[in-house]
Amino acid sequence: QKEVEQNSGPLSVPEGAIASLNCTYSDRGSQSFFWYRQYSGKSPELIMSIYSNGDKEDGRFTAQLNKASQYVSLLIRDSQPSDSATYLCAVVNSGGYQKVTFGTGTKLQVIP
Amino acid sequence: GAVVSQHPSWVICKSGTSVKIECRSLDFQATTMFWYRQFPKQSLMLMATSNEGSKATYEQGVEKDKFLINHASLTLSTLTVTSAHPEDSSFYICSAGTGTNVLTFGAGSRLTVL
Repeated sequence: QKEVEQNSGPLSVPEGAIASLNCTYSDRGSQSFFWYRQYSGKSPELIMSIYSNGDKEDGRFTAQLNKASQYVSLLIRDSQPSDSATYLCAVVNSGGYQKVTFGTGTKLQVIP
Repeated sequence: GAVVSQHPSWVICKSGTSVKIECRSLDFQATTMFWYRQFPKQSLMLMATSNEGSKATYEQGVEKDKFLINHASLTLSTLTVTSAHPEDSSFYICSAGTGTNVLTFGAGSRLTVL
């Protein structure tokens, strides 16, 4: 069973702080990793994609990937109340992109 | 950017009736679309892969006779929930591949079966 594990939270951080979201996966053959943001009652929207080891920065968001440890994380700097949502980690398994496995998501609460 | 339109956004129906959900790629052609289901406080679960011009590929445990998928054109896939029951109440989301393994999601359809 190919799994993607996330802490369900909620993760509460004060406004302006750094929020750190973590994800582990079981399929060593995975090559593509994504973070999606999902507001309550809404569909997921893509935040970041990362394909190689290391860090990838996009504005306030930084994705980190460590394939040896099978670990991917998302850092949100200067967290804003509008960042409050559930963040889904998605991993494309070695079977191709129709085999995307989602974690259960981490609920982030940014406290004003 | 790529847009996937999904309709209706919410629907309420009586038990035993059928409901059709449409998923359209607005500015690109999608030979493959994906249908997900999400129950409250759970993650997205892939139901089936919809292939233009051919039969859908269903995930294990998904009843193909209950969840009918049609992908008649490169821009339209439909999911029909037949003889819906309250346990089918869920959030149904379609998506299409729009880049290197990137999925763009429709807005989702919330189905409530009374």
